[in-house]
Amino acid sequence: DIVMTQSPLSLPVTPGEPASISCRSSQSLLHTNGNNYLDWYLQRPGQSPQLLIYLGSTRASGVPDRFSGSGSGTDFTLKISRVEAEDVGVYYCMQPLQTPITFGQGTRLEIK
Amino acid sequence: QVQLVQSGAEVKKPGASVKVSCKASGFTISDYYIHWVRQAPGQGLEWMGVVTPTSGSPSLAQKFQVRVTMTRDTSTSTVYMEFSSLRSEDTAVYYCARREGSSWYSHSAMDVWGQGTAVSVSS
Repeated sequence: DIVMTQSPLSLPVTPGEPASISCRSSQSLLHTNGNNYLDWYLQRPGQSPQLLIYLGSTRASGVPDRFSGSGSGTDFTLKISRVEAEDVGVYYCMQPLQTPITFGQGTRLEIK
Repeated sequence: QVQLVQSGAEVKKPGASVKVSCKASGFTISDYYIHWVRQAPGQGLEWMGVVTPTSGSPSLAQKFQVRVTMTRDTSTSTVYMEFSSLRSEDTAVYYCARREGSSWYSHSAMDVWGQGTAVSVSS
């Protein structure tokens, strides 16, 4: 199984400041077709997860451009350029490259 | 409106079975992979398995292969997850989610999620 490791696990951020979450996989997520199969999801308190980023760096429809994803192979990063109050929740990276699909442990973002 | 609507909360005793439904609207379920993901209280997300688009056959994570069945009824646009021999550690919220199904390696992701179904297992 591919192991996904996120850091940090807790991320207190002042509104307006940037935030960054790292995700590392135990195997490369770069497919021979050139795509990195790495997604980012946000689970707001009491809600279902929602898609933010897929294929490592493609923002999902309706996701603000303050969210960006980068990385390739085994190292990926989610960045929020200016954190807003509505960004509070748990962020998960996930690899859909192979089954079993696996998630990172989650990073809890809170507002200072 | 594109959505997945799941059945309501369940309370079960150890050893019982539960069947959770996930009804699609606004799209055709045979065009999508329908995944099941669970979340134990205060814990992270765990992938359970997927119903494939063309055949409707399931692919399950190894730990769920004995006790979980996933089926699909295209006439009602509903996907089902049945969990047998429930244990207290199966207490969780169970989510269904769709992913576009032209190929496992398509340019897509789990873009629509159900609201979750809480299953509580207690004696």
